[in-house]
Amino acid sequence: DTGVSQNPRHKITKRGQNVTFRCDPISEHNRLYWYRQTLGQGPEFLTYFQNEAQLEKSRLLSDRFSAERPKGSFSTLEIQRTEQGDSAMYLCASSHRQEKLFFGSGTQLSVL
Amino acid sequence: GENVEQHPSTLSVQEGDSAVIKCTYSDSASNYFPWYKQELGKRPQLIIDIRSNVGEKKDQRIAVTLNKTAKHFSLHITETQPEDSAVYFCAASMGSGGYNKLIFGAGTRLAVHP
Repeated sequence: DTGVSQNPRHKITKRGQNVTFRCDPISEHNRLYWYRQTLGQGPEFLTYFQNEAQLEKSRLLSDRFSAERPKGSFSTLEIQRTEQGDSAMYLCASSHRQEKLFFGSGTQLSVL
Repeated sequence: GENVEQHPSTLSVQEGDSAVIKCTYSDSASNYFPWYKQELGKRPQLIIDIRSNVGEKKDQRIAVTLNKTAKHFSLHITETQPEDSAVYFCAASMGSGGYNKLIFGAGTRLAVHP
C-alpha cells in the first residue's frame, strides 16, 4: 500500500498520560498535515510541515500538543497530559507541493 | 478569520434525484476548492476539485461550480445512487499566498433512498 499510513489505528489512554502517533506520508510528498476530527464535524487543521520545517500551527492548539518531522519523511504527533476533550480521530494527510491532499485512515484516540 | 460554512448539514433524496451542497468561504485569496467524501469509518477521499481560474468543472455525475465574487462554491450530484450516501466535506485553501492549508466545512450527511 503506497498511501498515507498511520499508527496506531486505535489508542485508549487514561487522563494525564502522554500519547504519540506516527504518520508515514506518500513517499514523494513534501507536505504533511495533521488534522483532528470529532464526530459530526469536518477535519480541523492542527499543523503542517514542508519537508522538515513546521510552517504553521493552529492558534487553537494547546501547548500540550507537539509535532515533529525530523528528516522530512515520517511525522509524530505527541499529546502530553491528555484530557478527555482530546478524544478524537487524528488524521494525517500529505501532498506534493500544493497539490491534492491524501488522507490516512487516522488514529482514534479515546481518553478515559 | 479562516472559516468555511457548509449547508445543509443533512440531505435526504430519492435515488435518481439531484443533490446540491453549498459552501461559502472567508478568505478572498483562496484559490483551491476540493470536495471530499467520507464513508462511515473510512478516510476522507477526494472526489473533485476546482481552482479559482475556472468557474465550473464536471466529472461524470459530479460537478462543482465556483463564484469567486460571492466567495461561494457548490457540489452538484446528478442521478444519485445509494452508494453516494456518505458525508461530504467542502474545503478551501487558506494562508499567505492563497494556499498553505485546507480549511474544511462541517460536512453534509447525504442519504440516498432506493
